[in-house]
Amino acid sequence: GIQVEQSPPDLILQEGANSTLRCNFSDSVNNLQWFHQNPWGQLINLFYIPSGTKQNGRLSATTVATERYSLLYISSSQTTDSGVYFCAGVSGGSYIPTFGRGTSLIVHP
Amino acid sequence: NAGVMQNPRHLVRRRGQEARLRCSPMKGHSHVYWYRQLPEEGLKFMVYLQKENIIDESGMPKERFSAEFPKEGPSILRIQQVVRGDSAAYFCASSPIGGEQFFGPGTRLTVL
Repeated sequence: GIQVEQSPPDLILQEGANSTLRCNFSDSVNNLQWFHQNPWGQLINLFYIPSGTKQNGRLSATTVATERYSLLYISSSQTTDSGVYFCAGVSGGSYIPTFGRGTSLIVHP
Repeated sequence: NAGVMQNPRHLVRRRGQEARLRCSPMKGHSHVYWYRQLPEEGLKFMVYLQKENIIDESGMPKERFSAEFPKEGPSILRIQQVVRGDSAAYFCASSPIGGEQFFGPGTRLTVL
């Protein structure tokens, strides 16, 4: 299967700051998702983004499939953004997502 | 429009007992995935099922673990003769074929 690397592994921000999280893939993907796992353990869908750019409020994501990476942008961060952000990709011919190890984000008030 | 349901949310078992975890997919979703998450780690794929069919169980331990998704009723992940190392959060996700996955709230299994 593919390898998925997320960076940075840990991130600490002051409320109001912006950040970029990155997800690199060892092979091309035809299905990519970003999730937020909140401090209570719930996994929340952020984006389903095999390619292109999407925006949802303060969050946006861009996937460049040909270069095997995806970026998640968080603008004007809030304390409720704290948690772990995972990306997961599915390579061609498979239906099994491979998850990265996540980026742990702490936003201080 | 109910999301993915999992029960129980918390399960405590003694070593050697059986654990049964249930997952009801979102309406209209025919595919179910089970994942395990150890503390401070990401999600590890275990098994991928359709109704009455295991499509891929490459992530499932060969012994003590089994999964099913019957024609009627929820998908079940069964762990026999649990050991302390089975303590983890077990998540279920559902999707239409090849599409976006949605996760349930998880079952936290603690083995004493």
